[in-house]
Amino acid sequence: DVKVTQSSRYLVKRTGEKVFLECVQDMDHENMFWYRQDPGLGLRLIYFSYDVKMKEKGDIPEGYSVSREKKERFSLILESASTNQTSMYLCASSTPTGANYGYTFGSGTRLTVV
Amino acid sequence: EDQVTQSPEALRLQEGESSSLNCSYTVSGLRGLFWYRQDPGKGPEFLFTLYSAGEEKEKERLKATLTKKESFLHITAPKPEDSATYLCAVNDVTGGGNKLTFGTGTQLKVEL
Repeated sequence: DVKVTQSSRYLVKRTGEKVFLECVQDMDHENMFWYRQDPGLGLRLIYFSYDVKMKEKGDIPEGYSVSREKKERFSLILESASTNQTSMYLCASSTPTGANYGYTFGSGTRLTVV
Repeated sequence: EDQVTQSPEALRLQEGESSSLNCSYTVSGLRGLFWYRQDPGKGPEFLFTLYSAGEEKEKERLKATLTKKESFLHITAPKPEDSATYLCAVNDVTGGGNKLTFGTGTQLKVEL
């Protein structure tokens, strides 16, 4: 089975901290994505990557950055955490023809910023 | 800009009571429409991809259909274990490769 593993299920961080969310996939997928999910707003795309060292902004990139140094790992960085970044964060991966098979999602990281 | 609207927001059914969930979409050109199931505290799980109007796919008690403007997820004789949030998403042929735009979901509760 394709596995997408997010390093933490729950995180509590303080305002102003630099936060790292890690995601690793084991199926050699080229594409990786970071979404946040909030009640009533659905899943919103933060950043995505189609290749190592490559990144593109999604719909809500402000306050976030990403790193993809290896194909299997895609990290989301909150440069200076704020309370409005409290959310469920979901990582996903897909093949280049992901439109055929959809994404595979991780289990999510519920981040609380206090 | 792609838009996906799901209705109803929440649905409560009795076990065995069939119903349908709706997903209306607006895209420049549809590459694919996806249905996912999401259980509380977990990531979405892929169910179906539909590519063109008239296409249908089935899996156990679920059947997804597609028209040029909307998709339906039909649930036949649901069981309590079908309780989950069902998400619809679209992939547009223009600008963005494999980016998906998601709806806000329908929260389904099936009771005994």
